[in-house]
Amino acid sequence: DVKVTQSSRYLVKRTGEKVFLECVQDMDHENMFWYRQDPGLGLRLIYFSYDVKMKEKGDIPEGYSVSREKKERFSLILESASTNQTSMYLCASSLIGGSLSYEQYFGPGTRLTVT
Amino acid sequence: DAKTTQPNSMESNEEEPVHLPCNHSTISGTDYIHWYRQLPSQGPEYVIHGLTSNVNNRMASLAIAEDRKSSTLILHRATLRDAAVYYCILRVNNYGQNFVFGPGTRLSVLP
Repeated sequence: DVKVTQSSRYLVKRTGEKVFLECVQDMDHENMFWYRQDPGLGLRLIYFSYDVKMKEKGDIPEGYSVSREKKERFSLILESASTNQTSMYLCASSLIGGSLSYEQYFGPGTRLTVT
Repeated sequence: DAKTTQPNSMESNEEEPVHLPCNHSTISGTDYIHWYRQLPSQGPEYVIHGLTSNVNNRMASLAIAEDRKSSTLILHRATLRDAAVYYCILRVNNYGQNFVFGPGTRLSVLP
């Protein structure tokens, strides 16, 4: 079974802190994704990566950056956390597409609270 | 980007079939229709996907309209463990692999 793990289930940080959210997948997937989930807004894509050191902006990249130094690991960075970044953060991975459409496998999520 | 429309919530009785509708009137020819569900306190999980033909797997069936402007996820016998938010998603079949999640349908299953 594919396993996507996230470094923390719950995290509390102060405004202005630098925050790292880590995601690791064990199935050699090329694609990795970071979403945030807020009530009434569903899941929104922040960034994704289709290869090591490659990244693409999603729908809401402002205030975030990402790092993918190894294929299995994709990090989301909040350079200076703000209260409006309080949210559930979900990581996902998938095989790369081509002519097929592969499903995404999600981690359990990290609930981040910024005070 | 093509969008989907789903009812906010639905109810079903345990052991009865459930039909979850999704409208996607602006779907393009290369968009795959994916369904995911999110159980409480968990990340979303894949349910099923299709392009043009109806699809069956161990979890559910997907019925796709002939014009592809709508689809229906069918749970043949709902259980209490099927209570979740169900997302109908159009996945652009390109290198970017982008997903667009809407608010989904919250399914309640009554014992």
